[in-house]
Amino acid sequence: DAMVIQNPRYQVTQFGKPVTLSCSQTLNHNVMYWYQQKSSQAPKLLFHYYDKDFNNEADTPDNFQSRRPNTSFCFLDIRSPGLGDAAMYLCATSKEGGVKTEAFFGQGTRLTVV
Amino acid sequence: AQKITQTQPGMFVQEKEAVTLDCTYDTSDPSYGLFWYKQPSSGEMIFLIYQGSYDQQNATEGRYSLNFQKARKSANLVISASQLGDSAMYFCAMSRYSTLTFGKGTMLLVSP
Repeated sequence: DAMVIQNPRYQVTQFGKPVTLSCSQTLNHNVMYWYQQKSSQAPKLLFHYYDKDFNNEADTPDNFQSRRPNTSFCFLDIRSPGLGDAAMYLCATSKEGGVKTEAFFGQGTRLTVV
Repeated sequence: AQKITQTQPGMFVQEKEAVTLDCTYDTSDPSYGLFWYKQPSSGEMIFLIYQGSYDQQNATEGRYSLNFQKARKSANLVISASQLGDSAMYFCAMSRYSTLTFGKGTMLLVSP
């Protein structure tokens, strides 16, 4: 059974039209992450939540926001998608922080901007 | 700042043979973790193996082993007895506190 579920798997949005990607987890993990992975590149961390504490990476554009209303759900909001935001967006969770922070990933949402 | 380097964009191996995927890293932190993930074409990242910076022995998980050479700052993944299902993208990653930094990945193709 899937433990980190991302919806939808594929999302097509119009240039400049706000879009929300969702992630849910059944693991009851404290930490949730959003990564952006462009074609043939490494996943890049956008932000993460440690419980309710939000941690934004310094180079994450302001166009990207996130919400975590409860332990199980986390959302990625892209306020005005540009063509350069087309990518795979990966949600991940880990039980606790620390160096042995094995992350469990969802199947990703592939975002296309037209 | 942490940095992960994977110098092999692509690797080819025949079924049942062993293959080594290279990973070097750079960090000033004394405590860190090293991970390998597999990403099939379907997109999900699958955890394969973990090595802690203070672990004395190399990690092993079934057909996967991690050749950890701390002084050289390398953490190569060895896959023994390759299978067709091993064809995928492989990422090396390093942890710091609660987050992972990934390398650019190596595409492994296993041929019959």
